Amino acid sequence: QVHLQESGPGLVKPSETLSLTCTVSGGSISPYYWSWIRQPPGKGLEWIGYFYFTGNTKYNPSLTSRVTMSLGSSKNQVSLSLSSVTDADTAVYYCARGFQFYYSDSWGQGTLVTVSS
Amino acid sequence: FVLAQPPSVSESPGKTVTISCTRSGGSIANNYIQWYQRRPGKSPTTVMYEGNQRPSGVPDRFSGSIDSSSNSASLTLSGLRTEDEAEYYCQSYDGYNWVFGGGTKLTVL
Repeated sequence: QVHLQESGPGLVKPSETLSLTCTVSGGSISPYYWSWIRQPPGKGLEWIGYFYFTGNTKYNPSLTSRVTMSLGSSKNQVSLSLSSVTDADTAVYYCARGFQFYYSDSWGQGTLVTVSS
Repeated sequence: FVLAQPPSVSESPGKTVTISCTRSGGSIANNYIQWYQRRPGKSPTTVMYEGNQRPSGVPDRFSGSIDSSSNSASLTLSGLRTEDEAEYYCQSYDGYNWVFGGGTKLTVL
């Protein structure tokens, strides 16, 4: 059974870069799609984008200028970087795995990131 | 396009409830629909993919369908249990970009 664990700073200052890592255990990075989804407090789910194990990426058009997804520093990690953050980026961030680009079948527990000075 | 869901539904234990997801802009049948359940304090889980496919471990009390005449998808839960109380989100895609519905809070009372 695959297990996904998001990690990273819980507090980021406005205008700085949010960096998160998703560590995968019980499975491999390939041949899957790795999506990042977030949920601001009291709001619905928002798709940030996905990273395919080949290195291909697709990002939400509303975030594409600020988002980068890639392999992490370890072979079982994927990473998310979101630059120039504002209060609107405060959310629980989830990583999720999918066999196809259009859905995810396994989700991490999520990590709350607060943007505040 | 937009996926519209009712903000909330409620039903009694043992009953059947249907949550709708209506697409505006394009045909609901153009792209697969997924459904995710998010229980309070928990991360989302996938309860339906590709319209009517249940992931392993999801009970057959959950079923999904598409109605082209109303341009909507539905998630039906039968034999409701208290543990079904959660937020349910439909999701589809436009090209490679995911689109989520606003979510429906299901109360089992």
